[in-house]
Amino acid sequence: DTEVTQTPKHLVMGMTNKKSLKCEQHMGHRAMYWYKQKAKKPPELMFVYSYEKLSINESVPSRFSPECPNSSLLNLHLHALQPEDSALYLCASSQERSANTGELFFGEGSRLTVL
Amino acid sequence: GDSVTQMEGPVTLSEEAFLTINCTYTATGYPSLFWYVQYPGEGLQLLLKATKADDKGSNKGFEATYRKETTSFHLEKGSVQVSDSAVYFCARDTGGFKTIFGAGTRLFVKA
Repeated sequence: DTEVTQTPKHLVMGMTNKKSLKCEQHMGHRAMYWYKQKAKKPPELMFVYSYEKLSINESVPSRFSPECPNSSLLNLHLHALQPEDSALYLCASSQERSANTGELFFGEGSRLTVL
Repeated sequence: GDSVTQMEGPVTLSEEAFLTINCTYTATGYPSLFWYVQYPGEGLQLLLKATKADDKGSNKGFEATYRKETTSFHLEKGSVQVSDSAVYFCARDTGGFKTIFGAGTRLFVKA
């Protein structure tokens, strides 16, 4: 069983909707990540939070808005998405960088369909 | 720049066949290397890792050895099962928060 929990597992939304993806981990990890994965492709990094501060934003469009309310939670707020944003969104966590060999712990993902 | 290259798939094998999925990397320094597996409808999970040259990672019958001289980290399993059908990603650490993934290799195992 994965120790990173993502909700919802499936989401269908229209281009004018506002929705949020949620991620939770209780491993004491201080780094949390959002990845986007299109079919038959590797995950692409979107955002990284380290100690609840945004550390990396990979030039993601502003219609994706991340939030890290505390060390266990990570949200991705979605607004005015486009059909090409349909993908599997993966949350991951890891130890803080100084203690980290680079291993990522992934959730099962939220499959998003934008109509 | 730094990259990870793995063999194109899909790879189709019969049950109990030997599996090799090739992976090579480019890097300055000595990154940690990983194999992640993604079963249908799921996220990625770490299969095995190696953090320095000549280390062998192993898990669930899979093995990979960190070869500095050939910059390779090939995945092997002596006898695959239908349940091993999945997509396998080779990956390397960058020393920061970014992980470089290979393109992924889809494995189909037939009964």
